[in-house]
Amino acid sequence: GESVGLHLPTLSVQEGDNSIINCAYSNSASDYFIWYKQESGKGPQFIIDIRSNMDKRQGQRVTVLLNKTVKHLSLQIAATQPGDSAVYFCAENKEGTYKYIFGTGTRLKVLA
Amino acid sequence: NAGVTQTPKFQVLKTGQSMTLQCAQDMNHNSMYWYRQDPGMGLRLIYYSASEGTTDKGEVPNGYNVSRLNKREFSLRLESAAPSQTSVYFCASSAGYVGGLSNEQFFGPGTRLTVL
Repeated sequence: GESVGLHLPTLSVQEGDNSIINCAYSNSASDYFIWYKQESGKGPQFIIDIRSNMDKRQGQRVTVLLNKTVKHLSLQIAATQPGDSAVYFCAENKEGTYKYIFGTGTRLKVLA
Repeated sequence: NAGVTQTPKFQVLKTGQSMTLQCAQDMNHNSMYWYRQDPGMGLRLIYYSASEGTTDKGEVPNGYNVSRLNKREFSLRLESAAPSQTSVYFCASSAGYVGGLSNEQFFGPGTRLTVL
């Protein structure tokens, strides 16, 4: 699993603090976006999604913000916990197509 | 529900050998995908199957073939493995394009393949 995540940007946060992970997406025509979490040695796990008719969506401890003007997506994790340590990446899609474009990811490290 | 399962979890091949990676989903999803994941790169689509009976090339199809055996199963075959195919392979499934809307993909645990 360690072959994934080499040379990734890393965000280190204290346990209990909020985390913000950013993603610049590539296609201005994309209108569906997903955040995934990938723990070492495991497959990506769905966290939250958002469609282009929204600019904010909240889940349990997570919020996704979408800024279509600058093609930017962010994932906010509230009260970060040790179990949140993982690689996080975004994916974009144009509705009606089967192609998803995945970002390279950011490694989140939670410091005790 | 097991979700998306993949076999094998690990495999070592010699250059020129062939093998098939198996994938199955129990979520009654229409669409299935094969990706490879390499260090420093995002997941790249090899092939996908929008629905049972159809398959299409993705971004990096060369050296691979696929079979959508039925709605549950989607296999990936390497006919003559090359060191450049050393990677982690993920299968994914989704409900597909339903009611005009895309849906999230669910991923399997991956197959770690090394080609010597």
